[in-house]
Amino acid sequence: EIVLTQSPATLSLSPGERATLSCRASQSVSSYLAWYQQKPGQAPRLLIYDTSHRATGIPARFSGSGSGTDFTLTISSLEPEDFAVYYCQQRNYWPLTFGGGTKVEIK
Amino acid sequence: QLQLQESGPGLVKPSETLSLTCTVSGGSISSSHYYWGWIRQPPGKGLEWIGNIYYGGSTYYNPSLKSRVTISVDTSKNQFSLKLNSVTAADTAVYYCAKDRGYSGDDYQYYFDYWGQGTLVAVSS
Repeated sequence: EIVLTQSPATLSLSPGERATLSCRASQSVSSYLAWYQQKPGQAPRLLIYDTSHRATGIPARFSGSGSGTDFTLTISSLEPEDFAVYYCQQRNYWPLTFGGGTKVEIK
Repeated sequence: QLQLQESGPGLVKPSETLSLTCTVSGGSISSSHYYWGWIRQPPGKGLEWIGNIYYGGSTYYNPSLKSRVTISVDTSKNQFSLKLNSVTAADTAVYYCAKDRGYSGDDYQYYFDYWGQGTLVAVSS
């Protein structure tokens, strides 16, 4: 099973700041990694798929990069609605696995 | 607009079977190239993929749950279902049903772009 390790566990930032979230895979997942956003009491929302492709309706301030074992989600300038928990997910191997999440909180 | 809705008991006794149904509206579950999945999230914790099913019936399961899980599809009702037997308190979670992105280019994209709202299932006597 591919283990995805997300860091940091919590990121404390102010609106307008840049957020950089990391996801590291226990072995290469090629480019087959996605990012989700989850707000309290809501289902996750797909943001980025296959490392860098934004899902439908996702603002351009969200971007993804990386390959192999190291991936990054960047939020260029945090909006108030971006404070949430973010998860990565790989699809290169069964079983599908998720990272443990990074909480982006207001500083 | 595609919508998914989970339904089923919110409380299950230990050792019994958890049964949930996901009803799909705004689209056909028989649309080719899509898989339909179940994901769960224990309170305050992360996401765990349970399994996927294609409308034709082919399935993929998480090996950690495979011995206890059955996912099935009923195309006539536009529904798919989850059964998890021999439950314990560790199975207490919010259970989500979801649709994957489907076939694109030259492979299936097993990422979930439509989700139900989730349903909390507690395992307790």
